[in-house]
Amino acid sequence: SQTIHQWPATLVQPVGSPLSLECTVEGTSNPNLYWYRQAAGRGLQLLFYSVGIGQISSEVPQNLSASRPQDRQFILSSKKLLLSDSGFYLCAWRGQPNQPQHFGDGTRLSIL
Amino acid sequence: AQTVTQSQPEMSVQEAETVTLSCTYDTSENNYYLFWYKQPPSRQMILVIRQEAYKQQNATENRFSVNFQKAAKSFSLKISDSQLGDTAMYFCAFYGQNFVFGPGTRLSVLP
Repeated sequence: SQTIHQWPATLVQPVGSPLSLECTVEGTSNPNLYWYRQAAGRGLQLLFYSVGIGQISSEVPQNLSASRPQDRQFILSSKKLLLSDSGFYLCAWRGQPNQPQHFGDGTRLSIL
Repeated sequence: AQTVTQSQPEMSVQEAETVTLSCTYDTSENNYYLFWYKQPPSRQMILVIRQEAYKQQNATENRFSVNFQKAAKSFSLKISDSQLGDTAMYFCAFYGQNFVFGPGTRLSVLP
């Protein structure tokens, strides 16, 4: 069966520090991969999605970036974090077009 | 562009009673899929139910059912025999060309 792993679960970083959040999927190949951000008590904001290795689409201009170095690995990065980058980050994958997205457990990011 | 609207930011229901969460969407596509996700306080996103637009029959999963009105572009979620564990944020989602999520409805089940 397919599983999705996202880490770390919690992260506290100072303003201006770099960021790397990792997401991996097991049990499937060539998944569509997504990064979302969720502010407290709010909906999901799509940040990036990827349909294949090295293919990244950005939905919102910001100081975050994403990479997909391997088929089942999706990384969210920043060179210098801002206070506004605080939030809950969710990674998701989808297989066939008619299938729902499946989410990781999320990363709670706090910027100090 | 597709949009998803959930007009009820917050709702509450007594345990064992029935509650209906509203969702409307806007699209020009004819083939698409609709989903309801649940996000409990643990913040995991859990798929509750899905509906294919080409199917007229409303989807049902145990205590969860939907009322899909394609012409009205409405996709409401009915929770029967509400349980305390149903307390969560509920997101309606649309998939046509892209995935679009609604803003969510916070449901509280009261003992």
